[in-house]
Amino acid sequence: DTGVSQNPRHKITKRGQNVTFRCDPISEHNRLYWYRQTLGQGPEFLTYFQNEAQLEKSRLLSDRFSAERPKGSFSTLEIQRTEQGDSAMYLCASSLDYRPYNEQFFGPGTRLTVL
Amino acid sequence: SQQGEEDPQALSIQEGENATMNCSYKTSINNLQWYRQNSGRGLVHLILIRSNEREKHSGRLRVTLDTSKKSSSLLITASRAADTASYFCATGRQETSGSRLTFGEGTQLTVNP
Repeated sequence: DTGVSQNPRHKITKRGQNVTFRCDPISEHNRLYWYRQTLGQGPEFLTYFQNEAQLEKSRLLSDRFSAERPKGSFSTLEIQRTEQGDSAMYLCASSLDYRPYNEQFFGPGTRLTVL
Repeated sequence: SQQGEEDPQALSIQEGENATMNCSYKTSINNLQWYRQNSGRGLVHLILIRSNEREKHSGRLRVTLDTSKKSSSLLITASRAADTASYFCATGRQETSGSRLTFGEGTQLTVNP
């Protein structure tokens, strides 16, 4: 049984570069979420997919951020023209839509450092 | 912005003692969940309590929910050094039960051996 996996685990980049993160959810889970967590804070919701459809986006998701889930399985989160303020842990979670109370299972996260 | 607020922000106890963490929230909810996060790692789901429930137990964990006060508490009994972690409450809202969780800022628990 594999849980949610995320790659890479760590990413260091220079300001202005583009980065892309990947999330592989638990195989039978059709819902996928992205959250961002800064040091000392709780996770903040970014966006959510039901299968391949992106159903909700936070105001935190600026134009420089884009997320995809093309085949309803893995997802990618791309940040263009990174800024130092983008430095954070990016967490992915998945869940099953028939469970009414939406218990989400989280991956280990990708820690982004923008220099 | 964060809906939940955990109290205290940090808690340090001795092994074997009980640890109580509180969470307050602002809007109507469908459910409230508690998660644990070890340093620099992903979150682990601990327990979920529905809005029509008042108390729930799971092993050494006891969660209460008071929807009239918009608050919840997590009690860890007979704590162990391995319980050292950050604990977050997260709420699911009534009209969006299928989507986002809103997390608090967390309580950092340290259990000293």
